[in-house]
Amino acid sequence: EVQLVESGGGLIQPGGSLRLSCAASGFTVSSNYMSWVRQAPGKGLEWVSVIYSGGSTYYADSVKGRFTISRDNSKNTLYLQMNSLRAEDTAVYYCARETSMDVWGQGTTVTVSS
Amino acid sequence: DIQMTQSPSSLSASVGDRVTITCQASQDISNYLNWYQQKPGKAPKLLIYDASNLETGVPSRFSGSGSGTDFTFTISSLQPEDIATYYCQQYDNLPHTFGGGTKVEIK
Repeated sequence: EVQLVESGGGLIQPGGSLRLSCAASGFTVSSNYMSWVRQAPGKGLEWVSVIYSGGSTYYADSVKGRFTISRDNSKNTLYLQMNSLRAEDTAVYYCARETSMDVWGQGTTVTVSS
Repeated sequence: DIQMTQSPSSLSASVGDRVTITCQASQDISNYLNWYQQKPGKAPKLLIYDASNLETGVPSRFSGSGSGTDFTFTISSLQPEDIATYYCQQYDNLPHTFGGGTKVEIK
């Protein structure tokens, strides 16, 4: 079964760091275009970052310089390293596969608050 | 960045009604547009890709059309299980921006 499972969310103080994981099964992360999308409480969807199969990475301006997307091919897992977290980064974070985003994880909640 | 303007932001319709949502891109995106359905507390679900292609397993009452800057999403006969928020998303240029969403309710 093709599946994505996120983990790593939690409550973190402003300025702190967190690493989200997205474990894939049923397909190979490194062969696909993989994205992170977030959704602030009561708000719409916001595209955050992408890593192409070739390894190129791109970020939304709102997270550029603070977030880093990566993958571990041996673990078939996607990551999002989040540094210098701000209150406005509070959201449910989803990983998704390909430009069509045909497969999504269940989401992991990040709350940035003192 | 490409702006995606989705309308209406909410609508109320009766079971069996035809429902139409529009999405306008701030520049030509060809057919690089997806439509998603999101139910409360759940991840989004892909319904339509490449503007008009129905994802496998999605009921045929859902459809999409358009190209360039103007796109339409239609539910031909609204069902109770269609209550959700619907989003368009362009993937022509990075960042792959989403529309603001349309919340669909039953009248």
